[in-house]
Amino acid sequence: GDSVTQMEGPVTLSEEAFLTINCTYTATGYPSLFWYVQYPGEGLQLLLKATKADDKGSNKGFEATYRKETTSFHLEKGSVQVSDSAVYFCALSEGGGFKTIFGAGTRLFVKA
Amino acid sequence: DAGVTQSPTHLIKTRGQQVTLRCSPISGHKSVSWYQQVLGQGPQFIFQYYEKEERGRGNFPDRFSARQFPNYSSELNVNALLLGDSALYLCASSLATGPNEKLFFGSGTQLSVL
Repeated sequence: GDSVTQMEGPVTLSEEAFLTINCTYTATGYPSLFWYVQYPGEGLQLLLKATKADDKGSNKGFEATYRKETTSFHLEKGSVQVSDSAVYFCALSEGGGFKTIFGAGTRLFVKA
Repeated sequence: DAGVTQSPTHLIKTRGQQVTLRCSPISGHKSVSWYQQVLGQGPQFIFQYYEKEERGRGNFPDRFSARQFPNYSSELNVNALLLGDSALYLCASSLATGPNEKLFFGSGTQLSVL
C-alpha cells in the first residue's frame, strides 16, 4: 500500500542554519504531496503542497520539490528561526483523494 | 471565521465504555475526515464523509463508526474501548473531496482509556 517515510528526529539546529528534512514515498499512482506542520499546542496546518512531478511548493521560506524519479519530497529552508520549532509531517493523497497518508513526523528544535 | 472545532478537548474513559467525539467544520466545508494520532506517530485515517455520505474508511475495527449531519458537523463513536484506543483524535474539514484538497485540522480530542 501507499506509504510515507521521513527522517527520524529530533533535529536540533542553531538559528539561521540550513534545514533539510527528508521524505520519500511509495504510491501506486501519481499522488499529491504535502508538508503539514504542528506547532506546540496547536493543530496541524498545511505548510505547502505539490500536485505533480517537478512542481515546487513554497511557503514561509520553506520549499519542497516533487521528484518523481526519486519518489521524494524533501523539505528545505535556508535559514531557520526559533519560531520554526515544531513537528513536520510529510503526507500524500491520491486516487479518490478520500484519505491522506502521513509520515511519522520529524520534530525540529531551533536554538537561539 | 471560526476554524474546525472539536469537543470535548480531553476525555477519560475506562475499558469497555463507549465514547462520542464531535466536530464542527469550517463554514462552507462539506467534507469531514477523522484521524487517530498516537503519541510519536503521524495521524492515521479513520473515516471521510462528504455530503453526509461515507466516502472512505481506514483500517479500523467496526467498533469505530461515524456520521455526518445535514449541517455537515460530524460525530465519531467508539464502542467497547480498549487501552490501545488512547490517542489524540483529529477532525479535519475541507471544501470538497479529492487528492488536492487542503485539510484544515481542529486541535483534537485527547482520549485516555484507563
